[in-house]
Amino acid sequence: SQQGEEDPQALSIQEGENATMNCSYKTSINNLQWYRQNSGRGLVHLILIRSNEREKHSGRLRVTLDTSKKSSSLLITASRAADTASYFCATDRRGGGNKLTFGTGTQLKVEL
Amino acid sequence: NAGVTQTPKFQVLKTGQSMTLQCAQDMNHEYMSWYRQDPGMGLRLIHYSVGAGITDQGEVPNGYNVSRSTTEDFPLRLLSAAPSQTSVYFCASSREADSSYNEQFFGPGTRLTVL
Repeated sequence: SQQGEEDPQALSIQEGENATMNCSYKTSINNLQWYRQNSGRGLVHLILIRSNEREKHSGRLRVTLDTSKKSSSLLITASRAADTASYFCATDRRGGGNKLTFGTGTQLKVEL
Repeated sequence: NAGVTQTPKFQVLKTGQSMTLQCAQDMNHEYMSWYRQDPGMGLRLIHYSVGAGITDQGEVPNGYNVSRSTTEDFPLRLLSAAPSQTSVYFCASSREADSSYNEQFFGPGTRLTVL
């Protein structure tokens, strides 16, 4: 079963707008990571947030983590057409060994 | 550095055939893993390795074998291909053995079709 579930499944916005994607997970975690996948390509790491962190920034990316709600959000500000991609969250299971579990992803389309 | 490389990029097999998907990394990473990606399913972990000579099963290991004789290479073997193994396969590596604390670097993928 999927540890992480993203929503929405698909998101379409205009260039310059902000995009917010959410990830929910089921069990306690050590860390949560976000990845981007361009069509037909491998995944690229965006950001890692530890379970004792609540917010993290990297350029136009802002990630929040709420361990009490078992959820995380990824905010992309001032989106660009080049941000068009699928975005996945990945979590480990605390005590579950050295395994990352990926969600089903959010497909983001940024239109000019 | 070439990063993580995978061969072949595309492969078509008949049911019952066997084959090996190749994965190599030149970053001296300890951790390597194989995932399959199916529409609407995200990525699912098949097998992983925390170092040469050490492998372990992931979420969906049945029908696949792996070995890790060197730090650089982590081949994935399909023993007897089935249509259910039609998928896109990704190899990934990370610097240290604990994958949850390290970003993973992904290869470009192998698109496999089993007829």
